[in-house]
Amino acid sequence: GEDVEQSLFLSVREGDSSVINCTYTDSSSTYLYWYKQEPGAGLQLLTYIFSNMDMKQDQRLTVLLNKKDKHLSLRIADTQTGDSAIYFCAERGYGGATNKLIFGTGTLLAVQP
Amino acid sequence: DTGVSQNPRHKITKRGQNVTFRCDPISEHNRLYWYRQTLGQGPEFLTYFQNEAQLEKSRLLSDRFSAERPKGSFSTLEIQRTEQGDSAMYLCASSLGGTGGNEQFFGPGTRLTVL
Repeated sequence: GEDVEQSLFLSVREGDSSVINCTYTDSSSTYLYWYKQEPGAGLQLLTYIFSNMDMKQDQRLTVLLNKKDKHLSLRIADTQTGDSAIYFCAERGYGGATNKLIFGTGTLLAVQP
Repeated sequence: DTGVSQNPRHKITKRGQNVTFRCDPISEHNRLYWYRQTLGQGPEFLTYFQNEAQLEKSRLLSDRFSAERPKGSFSTLEIQRTEQGDSAMYLCASSLGGTGGNEQFFGPGTRLTVL
């Protein structure tokens, strides 16, 4: 079945690194995504990783993928107060006509000054 | 601003009324998606268009819901005989088919409140 799970809440201090974790169940997922949602706003695509990659780095963001354990993580280096938001991971299935994304429930990141 | 726009941003209606939302995707994007998000949850897929063809529908999309994309550009989502359970944020996204990541870019959403 399709299910994406995330921890609900993470609190860090400004300047520290944040690590947000996600597990998924669809082993046929081809792409995995991270989105950011600020209060009252839509979703902002941060980054994505193809399933044949282990790691992807984009400025302060590092995505790690462990296909064996179906575990995805997003590391934010030097976390700033502006990073406070809800972070969603999402998976995209493979094959057929499906292009839908399956989202997790989101992790609320609170950055303390 | 991703370039995806949605109107209206907020809609308050009484139970039993019909409502229609509009989404304008990024102009060169041929794929358009509708999702629904309730408080404390991630978005849930409703339906997807490639150009004007509706290629996939979720079982969440009951017969009271209908979506169209008549000219392969903007899309409308209509909910007939609204129920309180329809209260949610309705999100639209678009993507450029054929690219590897098929990145979906979201609009700001339409928040529906059914009284």
